[in-house]
Amino acid sequence: SQKIEQNSEALNIQEGKTATLTCNYTNYSPAYLQWYRQDPGRGPVFLLLIRENEKEKRKERLKVTFDTTLKQSLFHITASQPADSATYLCALEAGGYQKVTFGTGTKLQVIP
Amino acid sequence: DADVTQTPRNRITKTGKRIMLECSQTKGHDRMYWYRQDPGLGLRLIYYSFDVKDINKGEISDGYSVSRQAQAKFSLSLESAIPNQTALYFCATSDPASGGYQETQYFGPGTRLLVL
Repeated sequence: SQKIEQNSEALNIQEGKTATLTCNYTNYSPAYLQWYRQDPGRGPVFLLLIRENEKEKRKERLKVTFDTTLKQSLFHITASQPADSATYLCALEAGGYQKVTFGTGTKLQVIP
Repeated sequence: DADVTQTPRNRITKTGKRIMLECSQTKGHDRMYWYRQDPGLGLRLIYYSFDVKDINKGEISDGYSVSRQAQAKFSLSLESAIPNQTALYFCATSDPASGGYQETQYFGPGTRLLVL
C-alpha cells in the first residue's frame, strides 16, 4: 500500500544548528514533492517544491533534497531559530491527476 | 492566508445534526479542496473540485457531501454528524502553473468541529 512516513516524534534542536527532517515514501512515483509549514491552529503554508528530476532546491535558509531511488526527501533548516518551531509536512503528487497526499508531519522545536 | 476564508472557525454540534462548513476564496483559483486533520493521521482529502462543474471524492468522502456554488465558494456538509467526525477541517485552493503538475496549495485557517 502507499505510505508516506515522517518521524512522528518531535525533533528538538538547539538554536543555530541545522535541523534535518525526513520524508520517506513507498509505492509512489511522484512527479514532485512539496514541504509545508504548519503552526498550531493554522492552515499549512507552502515552503518549497522539488521535482523528480531535481536533486536539490534552496530557498534562503531552507534546503530540500529528493532521492527517487531511496524514495526519500530531506528538509534542512540551517541556522535554526526559535521562530522556526512548527510542524513540517511533506506532500507528494499522487495518482497523476494533480492532487497531493500529505504526510503526518514532524514537529520541530528550536530551543534558545 | 486571508485569501482563503472559512466559516465558522469553531463549531460544536450534536450527533445527528446537519451542519455546513463554508469556504470562500479571492485567489481566483479553479481548484478547491476539503481536508480533515486528525492527530496522528495527518491531512486527509475529503472532496476536491477542479472547476465549478467538477466534483470528485477523496479518500474519506463517506458521511460528507459538497457543493461548489461558484468558482470562489466550496461548501462541505455533514448530513448527520457523528462523534468521529470531530476534527480540524481545512479548505484549500490551487492553481496549476503553466505546463501543469505544480500543485501548490493555499489553505484557509481551518474550522474546529466538535460533535458531541
